[in-house]
Amino acid sequence: DAMVIQNPRYQVTQFGKPVTLSCSQTLNHNVMYWYQQKSSQAPKLLFHYYDKDFNNEADTPDNFQSRRPNTSFCFLDIRSPGLGDAAMYLCATSRLGPPEEQYFGPGTRLTVT
Amino acid sequence: RKEVEQDPGPFNVPEGATVAFNCTYSNSASQSFFWYRQDCRKEPKLLMSVYSSGNEDGRFTAQLNRASQYISLLIRDSKLSDSATYLCVVNGNTGNQFYFGTGTSLTVIP
Repeated sequence: DAMVIQNPRYQVTQFGKPVTLSCSQTLNHNVMYWYQQKSSQAPKLLFHYYDKDFNNEADTPDNFQSRRPNTSFCFLDIRSPGLGDAAMYLCATSRLGPPEEQYFGPGTRLTVT
Repeated sequence: RKEVEQDPGPFNVPEGATVAFNCTYSNSASQSFFWYRQDCRKEPKLLMSVYSSGNEDGRFTAQLNRASQYISLLIRDSKLSDSATYLCVVNGNTGNQFYFGTGTSLTVIP
């Protein structure tokens, strides 16, 4: 059974057209993460939530926003996608404190035309 | 300086070979270390956690050297199915911040 679910798996959007990616989890984990991964690169942490406490990485562009309305769901909003935002977006969850293993969703592959 | 650095490879090894990957990290306060495996166009999946000096799981052995700030992954008796990218992951100052290395690509050749 899927534990971290991401929808959609593939998303095509136009340059400048807002897009929202969603993530849900059945693990009841406190912490949720959003990563951006481009081809042949490491996943790059965009932000994470500890419960509702939002933590933004210093170099995450303002174009990226996130919402976590409850424990199970987290959303990534890209307000004005550029061509450089085409990537795989990975959602992950973990407990707070050891063990801290992250569980990843299958990702959403975003194409910007 | 990057938080986590890995040799990107690629490593091409014959079946049955032993292969080792190294990873260095910059934050001496890091407490948690992991190796993840990522197949092409798939999500990372946890391979091993490394909480103390090291641990072993079947053909896989992970070692941690805090003094030199590196972790290693040893794969013995490589199988074709081991072909993947192996990502080194280290936590940051706030515990639930994680930093990934760029990954080491492994191809096991028949």
